[in-house]
Amino acid sequence: DIQMTQSPSSLSASVGDKVTITCRASQSIPGYMNWYQQKPGKAPKLLISAATNLQSGVPSTFSGSGSGTEFTLTISSLQPDDFATYYCQQSYTTPRTFGQGTRLDIK
Amino acid sequence: QVQLQQWGAGLLKPSETLSLTCAVSGGPLHGFFWSWIRQTPEKGLEWIGETDLSGRTPYNPSLEGRVTLSLDTSKSHFSLILTSVTAADAAMYFCARGRRAARLYFDLWGQGTLVTVSS
Repeated sequence: DIQMTQSPSSLSASVGDKVTITCRASQSIPGYMNWYQQKPGKAPKLLISAATNLQSGVPSTFSGSGSGTEFTLTISSLQPDDFATYYCQQSYTTPRTFGQGTRLDIK
Repeated sequence: QVQLQQWGAGLLKPSETLSLTCAVSGGPLHGFFWSWIRQTPEKGLEWIGETDLSGRTPYNPSLEGRVTLSLDTSKSHFSLILTSVTAADAAMYFCARGRRAARLYFDLWGQGTLVTVSS
């Protein structure tokens, strides 16, 4: 199985801050990286597919980058609605695997 | 607007069989693959398996032998069967739609079903 390691596991930030979450895959997953946002009691919501493709309706303050084994999710200016847990996920092969999550809360 | 609506028994005893169904409304089954994913605080998000109209149905090896996914085109729904459940199978279960545009991703999710396993 491809292991996905996210860092940090949690972080505190303020509205307007720029934050970056990193995800490392245990082997190369050429662009097969997706990012999801999850709020308590809700299903995950797709933010970015194929490492860099912003989904329709997702604010442009979100962006994704990376290749090979290292990928990042960046929020350029945190908004109140962005405080949630974020997950990376590889779709290069089965079993599809997720990172352990990064909990983003208000400082 | 495409929606996934899932249902099934939420309280099971050890050794019983978990059965969940997810109905697809407002869109087609073809052109997508249909997945089940579960979540616990301890293990996080765990992919269970996926199925599509080709009949290809890969499963998570950790569940191989206990899990079956099926797709019913006449009812526009897909189902999960997990046999011989234990406390380790207690989780929030989600159905999800998978899409293969450029890369593969889960773009639509059901609301989740909380499954408890207790004697």
